[in-house]
Amino acid sequence: RKEVEQDPGPFNVPEGATVAFNCTYSNSASQSFFWYRQDCRKEPKLLMSVYSSGNEDGRFTAQLNRASQYISLLIRDSKLSDSATYLCVVNIGGGNNRKLIWGLGTSLAVNP
Amino acid sequence: DTAVSQTPKYLVTQMGNDKSIKCEQNLGHDTMYWYKQDSKKFLKIMFSYNNKELIINETVPNRFSPKSPDKAHLNLHINSLELGDSAVYFCASSQADSVYEQYFGPGTRLTVT
Repeated sequence: RKEVEQDPGPFNVPEGATVAFNCTYSNSASQSFFWYRQDCRKEPKLLMSVYSSGNEDGRFTAQLNRASQYISLLIRDSKLSDSATYLCVVNIGGGNNRKLIWGLGTSLAVNP
Repeated sequence: DTAVSQTPKYLVTQMGNDKSIKCEQNLGHDTMYWYKQDSKKFLKIMFSYNNKELIINETVPNRFSPKSPDKAHLNLHINSLELGDSAVYFCASSQADSVYEQYFGPGTRLTVT
């Protein structure tokens, strides 16, 4: 099983749609979880951290399910500018050996 | 005012050459990283430095040698370039270690012919 798995998509949705991405991780000891966004030919940028209780930032909601080892990202009222690849990121290891493992990303295209 | 900068942005070179990529961050971060993103878009950590000390060294050919002259700079030197080295190389930095938000440079697109 891969350390971090995502559905690569692509997801094609109309403007205004609600879309959800899931990501599973294999290391039950992971403590930190993030969603990053990467636009075409650009660098990844942090979208949001994922907290145990779930968290919301405007149209974006992130959830963590430790028992099932998955995190999710929900985007409401999609905008054209949301078109990008969304990367699920999970930490493994401890102390100085902590590092982030990146999913392959889920591609989203929001259409007019 | 760029937070994390890399040079060059594009690098086209022939097999067997030696090349360097430079990275600088002005965020005052303690930790810097090199990532490789291949054609399949898989982003993989190569190295991590904390206060000029090597922390993470993934299974990377020893043709790749990072150097951190100070905590604001992390350079990557590659010897004897191979076709498989073609990728985008991203430098990143974070406040402490990887559990904090990472800020990425714009990437260096390396093409080996």
